[in-house]
Amino acid sequence: GNSVTQMEGPVTLSEEAFLTINCTYTATGYPSLFWYVQYPGEGLQLLLKATKADDKGSNKGFEATYRKETTSFHLEKGSVQVSDSAVYFCALRTNTGGFKTIFGAGTRLFVKA
Amino acid sequence: GAVVSQHPSWVICKSGTSVKIECRSLDFQATTMFWYRQFPKQSLMLMATSNEGSKATYEQGVEKDKFLINHASLTLSTLTVTSAHPEDSSFYICSASPGQGPYEQYFGPGTRLTVT
Repeated sequence: GNSVTQMEGPVTLSEEAFLTINCTYTATGYPSLFWYVQYPGEGLQLLLKATKADDKGSNKGFEATYRKETTSFHLEKGSVQVSDSAVYFCALRTNTGGFKTIFGAGTRLFVKA
Repeated sequence: GAVVSQHPSWVICKSGTSVKIECRSLDFQATTMFWYRQFPKQSLMLMATSNEGSKATYEQGVEKDKFLINHASLTLSTLTVTSAHPEDSSFYICSASPGQGPYEQYFGPGTRLTVT
């Protein structure tokens, strides 16, 4: 079946450090891949997405590249800020089973000033 | 645009009672709505998918008689937890989509249910 595995947190970084959050997936068909962010006390927000192999999604300095050969969609940011502290969810959606979104477990990021 | 609201944001109820959670799409018509459950420090688990005017489709292992979902209009879906028990305490999140298929999903802020 379809599944998403992402690195466990929490991840604690100092401001301006480089961020990588690993995400790998298993899917039938051709999934679209997403990163969502959940700030404290708020709902999920779409951060970026990629719909086919080798696509790069980017937003607010975050990037992720759809790697079909390694079934990965790692999230990166060159210089994190305190305001990036949140929980990040990797997710996939395929056209099998009615376009349901399958989420990874989430990775909590703390950024220290 | 594309705002989804949930009400209430936090509810406490006694064991054995029922509680209703509302999910509204404020600025678009939501053909499809999804209900998720999130346990502390865990991921979102899809409970059911509902299309406006149709019966909801529940995921395997979700009791449809316990978690009643109604999607009577294009802007409102409700989740009723019937005869709630402490193990039903969780964070419930809805999302709404303007169509059936590869459309964007917009998430509500979630409702925290505590059953005492």
